[in-house]
Amino acid sequence: SQKIEQNSEALNIQEGKTATLTCNYTNYSPAYLQWYRQDPGRGPVFLLLIRENEKEKRKERLKVTFDTTLKQSLFHITASQPADSATYLCALARNTGGFKTIFGAGTRLFVKA
Amino acid sequence: NAGVTQTPKFRVLKTGQSMTLLCAQDMNHEYMYWYRQDPGMGLRLIHYSVGEGTTAKGEVPDGYNVSRLKKQNFLLGLESAAPSQTSVYFCASSPPGGLGGNEQFFGPGTRLTVL
Repeated sequence: SQKIEQNSEALNIQEGKTATLTCNYTNYSPAYLQWYRQDPGRGPVFLLLIRENEKEKRKERLKVTFDTTLKQSLFHITASQPADSATYLCALARNTGGFKTIFGAGTRLFVKA
Repeated sequence: NAGVTQTPKFRVLKTGQSMTLLCAQDMNHEYMYWYRQDPGMGLRLIHYSVGEGTTAKGEVPDGYNVSRLKKQNFLLGLESAAPSQTSVYFCASSPPGGLGGNEQFFGPGTRLTVL
């Protein structure tokens, strides 16, 4: 069955450092990969989308890589700030064979001042 | 723009009771979705709609029904609530252009407890 794995352990880093979150998947061939941010008690908020034919995408301090051979995406936050503390969700989707978007359980990030 | 709104925010039901969760979006999006989120698990798709008057089953549709009578509204119904339906429910919408290729806009969620 299709599976998305995100590190269930929280990631603790110091302010100013680069946070790197991992998303691994199996038994799936996504056309798109999305990253969302979720704060406690709130709905997810879209951050970035990367397509299967793209290797890297950047948006301000955020960078996403997508390796379809390794079946892995890395999400980087450079110059991290305490305000970046949240849970980050990875989502994979494709348009063939019916609607299929799968979300990972997320990784909690804590940025210490 | 209010974006995606959900009512109610919280609800406690007894086993066997019924209720309807309301979702509204003011972005003129074609696609709408209902998810449930449980601790330690990713968002799971319950039902979705690609346009007014159309609905389709997602990953975990059993025990739920939906209706999309108007483009801006998507209703999720529980006919006979069970404790296994205790969860946080999120509604989302997205513009057309592929059901996975566009960003989804989420509502604030409804926390439902079934006793």
